Amino acid sequence: GAVVSQHPSWVICKSGTSVKIECRSLDFQATTMFWYRQFPKQSLMLMATSNEGSKATYEQGVEKDKFLINHASLTLSTLTVTSAHPEDSSFYICSARDEAVSNQPQHFGDGTRLSIL
Amino acid sequence: AQSVAQPEDQVNVAEGNPLTVKCTYSVSGNPYLFWYVQYPNRGLQFLLKYITGDNLVKGSYGFEAEFNKSQTSFHLKKPSALVSDSALYFCAVRDSGGYQKVTFGIGTKLQVIP
Repeated sequence: GAVVSQHPSWVICKSGTSVKIECRSLDFQATTMFWYRQFPKQSLMLMATSNEGSKATYEQGVEKDKFLINHASLTLSTLTVTSAHPEDSSFYICSARDEAVSNQPQHFGDGTRLSIL
Repeated sequence: AQSVAQPEDQVNVAEGNPLTVKCTYSVSGNPYLFWYVQYPNRGLQFLLKYITGDNLVKGSYGFEAEFNKSQTSFHLKKPSALVSDSALYFCAVRDSGGYQKVTFGIGTKLQVIP
């Protein structure tokens, strides 16, 4: 149980393109989803927390107009990197947690490798 | 503020030997503690958690961790390492009081040598 599916797994695109990444909880309702960015040989950097039906909460230093997050349902959150540039190239990982069940760990998707040319 | 320290960037162990990956934490209240494993180009897989109860927690793939409140530690252990255990391991902590984000350590690379 507790499977999180993230799609696509790999994206290569030109500078200026917008890229959408989807994160789905397959067998539970994810009241809260998290988006992380991971740089090589570093830990995860939390970008934002999204709750179903409300605006995402962004971490300090993360541009909300650059990284658009939508959590329209209890099983789907999307991250759109708008007008992507080479410095946005990174490994993006989503995770989900069912806040209705106490003490649950976060469950992670397999990540999206984004490469901007 | 809460924090997690993983003092070793890399741990090398021979196959069949016991392994330990260290983690210490700091929270203002009672901790919820987690271990995750990450294989290359993959997301994080949940291994085990400590919420309350027995200090020794057993998890997936034969891993276990011991919660030590006085030393604020939550070291990951396995009695006999496998080559397939080679991966990046993250310790994480969350304060049990109210809604809190999870804080991850910087990760420890485990290399099991055949």
